[in-house]
Amino acid sequence: KAGVTQTPRYLIKTRGQQVTLSCSPISGHRSVSWYQQTPGQGLQFLFEYFSETQRNKGNFPGRFSGRQFSNSRSEMNVSTLELGDSALYLCASSLEYDTGELFFGEGSRLTVL
Amino acid sequence: AQSVTQLDSHVSVSEGTPVLLRCNYSSSYSPSLFWYVQHPNKGLQLLLKYTSAATLVKGINGFEAEFKKSETSFHLTKPSAHMSDAAEYFCAQINTGTASKLTFGTGTRLQVTL
Repeated sequence: KAGVTQTPRYLIKTRGQQVTLSCSPISGHRSVSWYQQTPGQGLQFLFEYFSETQRNKGNFPGRFSGRQFSNSRSEMNVSTLELGDSALYLCASSLEYDTGELFFGEGSRLTVL
Repeated sequence: AQSVTQLDSHVSVSEGTPVLLRCNYSSSYSPSLFWYVQHPNKGLQLLLKYTSAATLVKGINGFEAEFKKSETSFHLTKPSAHMSDAAEYFCAQINTGTASKLTFGTGTRLQVTL
């Protein structure tokens, strides 16, 4: 069974631009979560989607948004990029909602110049 | 607010010697606790989880963790380190019954030397 797939793996943007990251969960998994990982702040929860509905949201500004499609694939968008948005963005999927047993992708590394 | 404290940012052991990575969690009625491992340029992989069953939890690759409520600890151990164990380890917590939002510790980098 294929794992969690994230695209693109690496990308470089400039301040003010926007970016969209994509995540394909493990087949059959209905929940998708997103985390931001930086050296300074560590792993921080962004949001979680289950059956196309956002179930929980972390403490990030409104520039960070996401959505989930009917096939459970998810995208997250960051608008008006800032230097501090440079990070590894990790997507994780799980069979159901309300579980910490997550399966992570390898991440999308975003560099903002 | 929940918090997870990993007491060591860096641990170095020799191959073949025991590993101890320490984690303290914030007191909660019914915590679910996890250890994840991250190898360089990879995502996180679940090592083991505690969800109110046995206090000694066995995970993959020979790792174990013991839940001690009196000490609010969930330390990760392995009897004999292998070179392939070198990675970053994260302790994490959610409260059962809430959204599956993991609160992670700051991580412990395990170095294994010959």
